[in-house]
Amino acid sequence: DSGVTQTPKHLITATGQRVTLRCSPRSGDLSVYWYQQSLDQGLQFLIQYYNGEERAKGNILERFSAQQFPDLHSELNLSSLELGDSALYFCASSVVSMNTEAFFGQGTRLTVV
Amino acid sequence: GIQVEQSPPDLILQEGANSTLRCNFSDSVNNLQWFHQNPWGQLINLFYIPSGTKQNGRLSATTVATERYSLLYISSSQTTDSGVYFCAVPEETSGSRLTFGEGTQLTVNP
Repeated sequence: DSGVTQTPKHLITATGQRVTLRCSPRSGDLSVYWYQQSLDQGLQFLIQYYNGEERAKGNILERFSAQQFPDLHSELNLSSLELGDSALYFCASSVVSMNTEAFFGQGTRLTVV
Repeated sequence: GIQVEQSPPDLILQEGANSTLRCNFSDSVNNLQWFHQNPWGQLINLFYIPSGTKQNGRLSATTVATERYSLLYISSSQTTDSGVYFCAVPEETSGSRLTFGEGTQLTVNP
């Protein structure tokens, strides 16, 4: 158990819908990162939050947004879903940055039908 | 950004065999991590190894930062070792993200 908790584990939804993925970081970790793993894209960085503030952005679509709350949990919101958004979404956490060891949650497998 | 290359892309072994996986990176890094993605998709931390050598049971890893590569050794492989092995390094000195290699798909046959 990495200590990073993601919910739900599986999600099936229809095109055009909106979903929210949730992540609780390891105790003591201030940074949360979201990654997308598609079959043909590998692990792609989406966004980082540090202590409630957005720190870095990767290849995150405008239809996607995230936030980190005062209790440090984070949510990734995916809207106007398309078939191509089907993927495994990972949350990771670290103390401050990726210059320290990062731990990944079990992932949320999103299927858009 | 930093480039990470892993080799080989695929590896098939018989149970009990040894193997070496390689990770090359294009720039200086502050740390390097090895992960195992099991068939259920879970990413499991194997090593956090900025430099030097570490061992954990049948697995060991060596990072030579000055030459920009890392090696993961798996000895006496077991079927449960099957999955994808990723190495990952921080993108920049700020460490805002990890850049992953494409992975090595390992299959261990009984």
